[in-house]
Amino acid sequence: GAVVSQHPSRVICKSGTSVKIECRSLDFQATTMFWYRQFPKQSLMLMATSNEGSKATYEQGVEKDKFLINHASLTLSTLTVTSAHPEDSSFYICSASRDRGNEKLFFGSGTQLSVL
Amino acid sequence: EDKVVQSPLSLVVHEGDTVTLNCSYEVTNFRSLLWYKQEKKAPTFLFMLTSSGIEKKSGRLSSILDKKELFSILNITATQTGDSAIYLCAVDSWGKFQFGAGTQVVVTP
Repeated sequence: GAVVSQHPSRVICKSGTSVKIECRSLDFQATTMFWYRQFPKQSLMLMATSNEGSKATYEQGVEKDKFLINHASLTLSTLTVTSAHPEDSSFYICSASRDRGNEKLFFGSGTQLSVL
Repeated sequence: EDKVVQSPLSLVVHEGDTVTLNCSYEVTNFRSLLWYKQEKKAPTFLFMLTSSGIEKKSGRLSSILDKKELFSILNITATQTGDSAIYLCAVDSWGKFQFGAGTQVVVTP
């Protein structure tokens, strides 16, 4: 099956710092990657859709300047949480589709962000 | 507004029991419904359903879709402790996925 690698798996940072999370498709090219946020015992909430070579499409209510997404290549998308605050603490997870129709998603292992 | 609703939110069963998970949806531009198993962190793919009435099976797991009544069920027979996880249902609206809240299944020895 397709493999999506996400790094780091856990990060603790001070309030006001920026944190970068990487999502890589290891054995396929991902035209589209998706970024989700998940609170404990809640569902995955789509934050943005990342397309290679173009600007990400953000969901309503997600701050573009707060959550910077870069999809510079067909195998790498990054999410940068800028000027992190405690309320940004959450589980962030990426997914990628290996087909143009985005029919099936493969997920990264997620990143648990804790902002002190 | 599109929505995906899963029920129950959680359940506890004994090993060997059968569980049935429900997922109902209201979305525009439906393409497929997918089931994922989330243990610890990353969801893993179970099934993708696009047509009504065709049961998909994988070992002790099976799933079926009803596009008229807008729901799907996921069955797990002869449950094992390794089946303990959150089961997520997602509906694909042509590349945009909306997830349900998940059903937490706990299988006790």
